[in-house]
Amino acid sequence: DGGITQSPKYLFRKEGQNVTLSCEQNLNHDAMYWYRQDPGQGLRLIYYSQIVNDFQKGDIAEGYSVSREKKESFPLTVTSAQKNPTAFYLCASSGQVRASGANVLTFGAGSRLTVL
Amino acid sequence: KQEVTQIPAALSVPEGENLVLNCSFTDSAIYNLQWFRQDPGKGLTSLLLIQSSQREQTSGRLNASLDKSSGRSTLYIAASQPGDSATYLCASPQGGSEKLVFGKGTKLTVNP
Repeated sequence: DGGITQSPKYLFRKEGQNVTLSCEQNLNHDAMYWYRQDPGQGLRLIYYSQIVNDFQKGDIAEGYSVSREKKESFPLTVTSAQKNPTAFYLCASSGQVRASGANVLTFGAGSRLTVL
Repeated sequence: KQEVTQIPAALSVPEGENLVLNCSFTDSAIYNLQWFRQDPGKGLTSLLLIQSSQREQTSGRLNASLDKSSGRSTLYIAASQPGDSATYLCASPQGGSEKLVFGKGTKLTVNP
């Protein structure tokens, strides 16, 4: 089955440590995204990539970094510079709906990061 | 800049009731609007996408409408079931970009 796999599902980090969240898709989608979700908040865009070896900052990129070396993979590193990293992180990819041209997002199951 | 608002934040209804979830947006030059469902601790599942040229989309018991002039979209759920309990989010692109702007969602509880 095609889809998006995020790992790990749960991750605990000590203050001052960098952690990397994995996101892999087998949907042959060009665009991939990372969102952060906090309780009572909408999703906020961290980074997105429309093509391999290229990515753009979203609304809350500070303290995060990404890479896009392969079409299938878009890992997110939460660095020690991120002041409040405890959150639910969602990866998504998009492919165009035929004829309409709209991009429909497919989401992974999410990774919950807790800073101890 | 597109802003998306969903009111109420939570809604509780008895099983079998027809219900409407609301989504408001500020930029009437909307490209499309998507409705998603999120179960607790899970990712989002796309339910319906309405293009700017469309007025509504239907999938099973779900019907989504779009009124650009009033800046509103509604998600109608017919004959609600306990399995419909989830958070429903709407989202629209920021201008013509790839970036989706999400509402904070409406948490729906359908009581047996």
